[in-house]
Amino acid sequence: AQKITQTQPGMFVQEKEAVTLDCTYDTSDQSYGLFWYKQPSSGEMIFLIYQGSYDEQNATEGRYSLNFQKARKSANLVISASQLGDSAMYFCAMREGDSGYSTLTFGKGTMLLVSP
Amino acid sequence: KAGVTQTPRYLIKTRGQQVTLSCSPISGHRSVSWYQQTPGQGLQFLFEYFSETQRNKGNFPGRFSGRQFSNSRSEMNVSTLELGDSALYLCASSLVSGLNEQFFGPGTRLTVL
Repeated sequence: AQKITQTQPGMFVQEKEAVTLDCTYDTSDQSYGLFWYKQPSSGEMIFLIYQGSYDEQNATEGRYSLNFQKARKSANLVISASQLGDSAMYFCAMREGDSGYSTLTFGKGTMLLVSP
Repeated sequence: KAGVTQTPRYLIKTRGQQVTLSCSPISGHRSVSWYQQTPGQGLQFLFEYFSETQRNKGNFPGRFSGRQFSNSRSEMNVSTLELGDSALYLCASSLVSGLNEQFFGPGTRLTVL
């Protein structure tokens, strides 16, 4: 079974609108971290936001917020007031366990296109 | 503070050759991870190094190897290149190993002809 599932291959949104990118995860660990990265066409992965499994409040970073629903195992990224520069691939990722030897597992990604 | 740097940015090799890629982490970061990104397989974990020790290894053949130096800089080596090794190779650093966020470099795009 896939550990990270992003069901939206592509999303279209108009400038200044909000958009939600879906991510569900699968783990039996109690301790894990969830991440969102943005990858523009240049290729560099840009860290956006992090949510720890024990964090009670949803993470927020500027226009980015993470809608964390632990019981449903979902960690959706919400981008408020989309900008043209937000057009990129977005990846959800997870690190499991607290042994210190964990790896980052990525979803397949969602391509976001923001139109004027 | 300077970000993660990777050299070279682009590389063209032929089948059978070997290649070495370099990654310098953010100053103070001791953990370096390597990932391979291809259109078909997506992002796949290669290996992670922490304090010069390989902490974890992904499901890649032995042709893929790496090392980390005392200054936390890391290199990965691919021997006997195959066409399927063409990919974007991304390096990421984090403060310590574990659940901390990782910061990625710009990647090295390797093309094998």
